[in-house]
Amino acid sequence: EIVLTQSPTTMAASPGEKVTLTCRASSSVSYMHWYQQRSGASPKLWIYETSKLASGVPNRFSGSGSGTSYSLTINSMETEDAATYYCQQGSSYPWTFGGGTKLELK
Amino acid sequence: EVQLVESGGGLVKPGSSLKLSCVASGFTFSSYGMHWIRQAPKKGLEWIALIYYDSSNKYYADSVKGRFTISRDNSKNTLYLEMNSLRSEDTAMYYCAKDWDYFDYWGQGVMVTVSS
Repeated sequence: EIVLTQSPTTMAASPGEKVTLTCRASSSVSYMHWYQQRSGASPKLWIYETSKLASGVPNRFSGSGSGTSYSLTINSMETEDAATYYCQQGSSYPWTFGGGTKLELK
Repeated sequence: EVQLVESGGGLVKPGSSLKLSCVASGFTFSSYGMHWIRQAPKKGLEWIALIYYDSSNKYYADSVKGRFTISRDNSKNTLYLEMNSLRSEDTAMYYCAKDWDYFDYWGQGVMVTVSS
C-alpha cells in the first residue's frame, strides 16, 4: 500500500499570503489528485492529474510534482480557501489518501 | 448536472448488517467505475471499494474485505454497499463517488453509526 504523508497537518495563513501544501508518497506514483473539504461538506475534486484544476477552481491554485513529492500552492490566500485539503493517489491499488492539511485563516 | 444521492444509513448494533444505496443521475452511469469512500468522525478519508462499470471487477480495502460487498444495477443507475458483521470502527460517513483513479463527483454522504 502506498502511504501518503501530508505536511503540515495544520497551518494558518493571512489573506494575500502564498501557501504551499506538500504530499509525499512512500513509492512513486504517476499522478497526484487533491480534494478540498469545507466543514460539514463533502469533499470536492480540486486538482487532478497533478496540475489540472477542476471545474470552477480559481487560478490562484496550482499543483506540481512528480514521483514521490507533490505540492498544492495557493498564490494568494483568500478567506474562502480555509478548508482541509487531501491528496490522493490512484496509481496503485488500494487507492489511498493523505491524512489532510487543515488550512485556517490567520 | 451530475448527482449522487446516498441512502440507507442509520444506527445499528455491532455484528449487524446494513445496505447502502447511491442513486446516480446526470451522466451515463453504466460507463463509469464507482467507489465507496468513508470518513470516520473528525478523521480523514478512507477509500473502501471500487466496482468496474460492468461489474467485471471489484476491489476492496483490507479493512472491509470479506465483510462488505459492492454491487451495482445499471438498469436502475444505482450503486450498493452491503455491509455485514459491522464493528464500532465502521462508524463513519459513507460517500459514493464517480470515476476511476480519481473521484470527480461525490454524493452528500450517509451516516452509519455502529453502537450497542
